Amino acid sequence: DTAVSQTPKYLVTQMGNDKSIKCEQNLGHDTMYWYKQDSKKFLKIMFSYNNKELIINETVPNRFSPKSPDKAHLNLHINSLELGDSAVYFCASAGTTNYGYTFGSGTRLTVV
Amino acid sequence: QKEVEQDPGPLSVPEGAIVSLNCTYSNSAFQYFMWYRQYSRKGPELLMYTYSSGNKEDGRFTAQVDKSSKYISLFIRDSQPSDSATYLCAMSGGAQKLVFGQGTRLTINP
Repeated sequence: DTAVSQTPKYLVTQMGNDKSIKCEQNLGHDTMYWYKQDSKKFLKIMFSYNNKELIINETVPNRFSPKSPDKAHLNLHINSLELGDSAVYFCASAGTTNYGYTFGSGTRLTVV
Repeated sequence: QKEVEQDPGPLSVPEGAIVSLNCTYSNSAFQYFMWYRQYSRKGPELLMYTYSSGNKEDGRFTAQVDKSSKYISLFIRDSQPSDSATYLCAMSGGAQKLVFGQGTRLTINP
């Protein structure tokens, strides 16, 4: 019974394509996040939603657009993919009283 | 300069050794300090969580926070091969935005 699940696990696509990554959590958490982990394992926040409302939007190209249809789901759509977008994208969620995140297992995106 | 600095290693020690991992940070607003463990091709999982300064122990793991020095540590006693992973420190000022260190890749050799 996975707490935070992401699909797909792997995504290989050509430059210029548009792709989406989906995330769902069954923990009842109010806040969800997208993080990007580069090849050096550095995790950097991209977006955060609290109960469907965008609360953190870091310096991310506007080719990246998050969408939260409800507080259990947070999707990430990427337009016009570039080589530099290749990374592992992690979804995470957190409750209101616990500052520790629960992460999904990641989506490994490779742009060729 | 990054807000959180962590030596990426790699760090390799024999089984049974005491491991010391640490991070420094520059933002004095950080109050919540965490250590995450990430196995290869998996998501990070929360290992230890500390609020403000002090020590916290959980089994073979001890987390220390020294806010005056802006320095946090994780100690692993009686290290096991199953402890081999990347360890990431993370911290927050309370807005639920975690800032991560780069992670230290640790290998415990049998």
